[in-house]
Amino acid sequence: DVQLQESGPGLVKPSQSLSLTCTVTGYSITSDYAWNWIRQFPGNKLEWMGYISYSGSTSYNPSLKSRISVTRDTSKNQFFLQLNSVTTEDTATYYCATWGSSSHYAMDYWGQGTSVTVSS
Amino acid sequence: DIQMTQSPASLSASVGETVTITCGASENIYGALNWYQRKQGKSPQLLIYGATNLADGMSSRFSGSGSGRQYSLKISSLHPDDVATYYCQNVLITPFTFGSGTKLEIK
Repeated sequence: DVQLQESGPGLVKPSQSLSLTCTVTGYSITSDYAWNWIRQFPGNKLEWMGYISYSGSTSYNPSLKSRISVTRDTSKNQFFLQLNSVTTEDTATYYCATWGSSSHYAMDYWGQGTSVTVSS
Repeated sequence: DIQMTQSPASLSASVGETVTITCGASENIYGALNWYQRKQGKSPQLLIYGATNLADGMSSRFSGSGSGRQYSLKISSLHPDDVATYYCQNVLITPFTFGSGTKLEIK
């Protein structure tokens, strides 16, 4: 079964970069799927941030395009989120999730989420 | 971006009742619409994909309908375990936009 696990610092200072890792087990990130980052703000709004596909192509939410980068390490079966120049408005719970034709174009596997607070 | 307008924002109903949540897209999304259930403290869980298809392992009390720009999620015979926030999601094109969520409570 596909399992995803987010990890990273829970506290980031304003203007710094937020870096998170999603470790995938039970499936190779080069086999299929797009590997996504989604965040849930306080107040429960969900925002899709971007993905890296099994082939390595990326797609980003235009609202974040100048600040976001999604990369991967295929040897470790991990993919990463980097969000630059964070502000308090980036405080959220961050999830990684799968999406693709194999999952009927739905996000059927999710990590448990990791909470990130942006504060000085 | 495709905007998703979901209503109501919150809903309170009794055990055994049937409730409906609606989701409107700012343009035709041709059935590329998913529903998720998020219980307190948990990750979202896929509920319905492709507007009408029940995800594996989810109760048949959940059903989805709609086409074009208008979609709905019906929950029949409410159980206490249905307490959650429900979200619709456009997956026709990126950015994959979500509705604002409907918080379901049991009276």
